[in-house]
Amino acid sequence: GAGVSQSPSNKVTEKGKDVELRCDPISGHTALYWYRQSLGQGLEFLIYFQGNSAPDKSGLPSDRFSAERTGGSVSTLTIQRTQQEDSAVYLCASRQGGEQFFGPGTRLTVL
Amino acid sequence: QKEVEQDPGPLSVPEGAIVSLNCTYSNSAFQYFMWYRQYSRKGPELLMYTYSSGNKEDGRFTAQVDKSSKYISLFIRDSQPSDSATYLCALANAGNNRKLIWGLGTSLAVNP
Repeated sequence: GAGVSQSPSNKVTEKGKDVELRCDPISGHTALYWYRQSLGQGLEFLIYFQGNSAPDKSGLPSDRFSAERTGGSVSTLTIQRTQQEDSAVYLCASRQGGEQFFGPGTRLTVL
Repeated sequence: QKEVEQDPGPLSVPEGAIVSLNCTYSNSAFQYFMWYRQYSRKGPELLMYTYSSGNKEDGRFTAQVDKSSKYISLFIRDSQPSDSATYLCALANAGNNRKLIWGLGTSLAVNP
């Protein structure tokens, strides 16, 4: 079966523009996570969705970051007014049970 | 101080060597302990998953958790060039969200 997919795989944008990153979790997985991986910082938790519950947004670094999950499946992470420090790999994971399965990530470069 | 400390290496070993990787942590609430492997430009892939203390073995891989010392280890026996990757420890507490707190990762090169 298909794993977690993310699109685009690479995104280059100019400072100040908005970007949308997409995650398609494994079918039937109720939990979905976004993480950010940057040089020197490692992987950082951003946001967590579980079913119809309110998301845990405690890891979002600023109010320029938001995410939604429609119909309990696909999720979109939006970064408004991008800054150079937003350059990183954004990873999505889904979970049913104990293990989190990761997608390949979206590599975001802000010029 | 970070919640999870991991030496980033790099670590270089000859093929067939035993590799020892480890992490230390400060939060005693962590109950789930995982090791992920990440190849360049790929997402992390789960290798080992341990709940609470103890050892777990899977093929050439052994994970150990010592909660009294807040120390976790991953051992790789008979290392292969295909094991060359970054190894990340990830920990989670017992809450429902299971968000992972990560070490920085150790870069491993196994030389033929």
